[in-house]
Amino acid sequence: SQQGEEDPQALSIQEGENATMNCSYKTSINNLQWYRQNSGRGLVHLILIRSNEREKHSGRLRVTLDTSKKSSSLLITASRAADTASYFCATPYAGNNRKLIWGLGTSLAVNP
Amino acid sequence: SQTIHQWPATLVQPVGSPLSLECTVEGTSNPNLYWYRQAAGRGLQLLFYSVGIGQISSEVPQNLSASRPQDRQFILSSKKLLLSDSGFYLCAWRTDSNNEQFFGPGTRLTVL
Repeated sequence: SQQGEEDPQALSIQEGENATMNCSYKTSINNLQWYRQNSGRGLVHLILIRSNEREKHSGRLRVTLDTSKKSSSLLITASRAADTASYFCATPYAGNNRKLIWGLGTSLAVNP
Repeated sequence: SQTIHQWPATLVQPVGSPLSLECTVEGTSNPNLYWYRQAAGRGLQLLFYSVGIGQISSEVPQNLSASRPQDRQFILSSKKLLLSDSGFYLCAWRTDSNNEQFFGPGTRLTVL
């Protein structure tokens, strides 16, 4: 299976703390994407990192990519209660970048 | 700007009844369109995707079908629903020149 995997499956932290989520994948990729899903809603694209990039920032988000280990991490700094959501990584299918392979997600709870 | 509409938001249907979920995209042309299903607490399963009018790729054998009668309209159907068709259905689009996918708000389907 090409499916990606995130860990941890669930994470509970206090407001102000940092949250780190990890994603592993199995095939060579040209990019990796992170999405966020609030409960009962559609997914929202957060950030895309290309295979030739090692780190990317967007506001309080920092994404790293290690292609040698086939892994990525998403760091949310100074978390807020509004960051409570599920976070998914996704990578293009080998040979068909119109399709994405999705991880099972990390459920993040930020407690006020 | 581009927007994606998906309806209805929730649906409760008896086993054996037909299904029609509609998704429309505004503000873009010739998008790639996707139907996903998400089981509770799980990742996304790609059901169908389309690169153009009348062009449908089916990803998993199932009780569902999809159609694309117009450039920005994607319909998910079933002739007879099964209990196992319950789930959260998400429509998404992307352009061929961009990697990120944009999601609709989703439809919560409960088959009783």
